[in-house]
Amino acid sequence: DVKVTQSSRYLVKRTGEKVFLECVQDMDHENMFWYRQDPGLGLRLIYFSYDVKMKEKGDIPEGYSVSREKKERFSLILESASTNQTSMYLCASTLRGPNGYTFGSGTRLTVV
Amino acid sequence: AQSVSQHNHHVILSEAASLELGCNYSYGGTVNLFWYVQYPGQHLQLLLKYFSGDPLVKGIKGFEAEFIKSKFSFNLRKPSVQWSDTAEYFCAVTTMEYGNKLVFGAGTILRVKS
Repeated sequence: DVKVTQSSRYLVKRTGEKVFLECVQDMDHENMFWYRQDPGLGLRLIYFSYDVKMKEKGDIPEGYSVSREKKERFSLILESASTNQTSMYLCASTLRGPNGYTFGSGTRLTVV
Repeated sequence: AQSVSQHNHHVILSEAASLELGCNYSYGGTVNLFWYVQYPGQHLQLLLKYFSGDPLVKGIKGFEAEFIKSKFSFNLRKPSVQWSDTAEYFCAVTTMEYGNKLVFGAGTILRVKS
C-alpha cells in the first residue's frame, strides 16, 4: 500500500511564526497535493505539484507556499501564520491520470 | 469552475436503515467521480470510484453509487447501515480540463444510532 506520511499530527503555533508542514510518500508518485479541511467546507486545494520543483496554485493559495525539492517530499509553508489558518491540513499523492488519491492522516494546526 | 454539491450536511439514521447520500456536480464534460470516507480520527479512504462503463459502481463495505449523467449526480447508497458506518462522507470529481485535480463537496456527516 502507498503510504503518505505527514510529520506532525498536531501543531500549535503563534501568530506570525513561519510554519512548515512536511509530507512524504513512498511510492514514487508524480503528483502531490495539499488541502485544508474545514467543517462545512469540505477539502479545498491549496497547492499541488506534478513533478520535482514544479508547483501550481490551487483554489486558496493565499498565505501559503510550497516546496518540492525531491519527488517523495512536498512541504507546505505558512510564511506568517494567522489565526484564520487554524485548520486540518491534508497531504495526498497520486500517479498521473485520473486516479484516486492516497491521503495522509492530516496535521491539525492551531494558530494562537 | 467545477463544483460539487452534497445535499445534506448531517444525517442521523438507526442501524439497519437504508442510506442514500446525494451528490451533484457542475461540469458538462467527461468526469471521474469518487466517494471518500473519513472515520473518526482516521485518514480519508477511497470508498468507490467511477471512470466509465457500468454506471452502478460497487465499493467497499457494501456501499454502491450510481452515476446518472443526465442528472449530473453520483449518489451513494447502502441498503442497511451499521453503527460502524458513522463517519464523514465526501463526494469528489476530477476532470481532464481541470488537470485531474480532485474537487470535493462539503461533506456529509453520518451518525448511525445503535
